[in-house]
Amino acid sequence: TQLLEQSPQFLSIQEGENLTVYCNSSSVFSSLQWYRQEPGEGPVLLVTVVTGGEVKKLKRLTFQFGDARKDSSLHITAAQPGDTGLYLCAGAWGAQKLVFGQGTRLTINP
Amino acid sequence: KAGVTQTPRYLIKTRGQQVTLSCSPISGHRSVSWYQQTPGQGLQFLFEYFSETQRNKGNFPGRFSGRQFSNSRSEMNVSTLELGDSALYLCASSLVRGRAREQYFGPGTRLTVT
Repeated sequence: TQLLEQSPQFLSIQEGENLTVYCNSSSVFSSLQWYRQEPGEGPVLLVTVVTGGEVKKLKRLTFQFGDARKDSSLHITAAQPGDTGLYLCAGAWGAQKLVFGQGTRLTINP
Repeated sequence: KAGVTQTPRYLIKTRGQQVTLSCSPISGHRSVSWYQQTPGQGLQFLFEYFSETQRNKGNFPGRFSGRQFSNSRSEMNVSTLELGDSALYLCASSLVRGRAREQYFGPGTRLTVT
C-alpha cells in the first residue's frame, strides 16, 4: 500500500507567524499536488510539482519537492486568517489514481 | 470554463435505503473520480471512470457502484445504506499533463444516514 504521511495533523498559530507542513512517503512519485479545502467545499488545487528539487511559489506559499521525489513541504510566510483550512498533499504514479495524505488542519488566529 | 458540479449538495437518507449522486465534470475532462471523505478516515478513493469504463477501484464494498455516460457525466450509487456511509462524497475530474495528474473537485454531496 502506498501511503502518504502528513505532519503535523493540526496546527494553530498566530497571524504573522511562519509555518511548514510536511508530506512524506517511502514511494517515489511521478508528481505531487497540494490542495486546500475549506469547510463544506471540495479541495482546490494549489500547485503541482513533478521534478525532484523543484520549488514553486504562490504568493506567500512556497512548495518544495524532495530531490528523491518521495517528500514535499509547504511553507507559509506571514500567515493570515485567510490561510485557514485543511491542506492535503496527493501523490501520483504516472496516470494512476492519486493517493491523498490525511491532511493538516491549519488555523490562523487573528 | 464551468467547474465540476455535483447534485444534490445535501441529502438525508435512512438506513437500508439507496442513493444516487450525480457529477458533471469540467468540459473536456474525460476522467471522473469519486472519493469519500470522513473526519476519521480522510479522503478515500472509491473509483475512477474514463470514457465510460471503470479504470480504478478502491477498497469499498460492492454496495458502492458507479457509472459514466457518453457525455462524461457520472453517477455513483450506494445501496442498503449504513450509518457509517454518512460522509462528504466528492467528485473530481482529471487532466493529465505530462507526468502530472491534476484533479479538480466539485463542492461535494453531504450525505447523512439516520
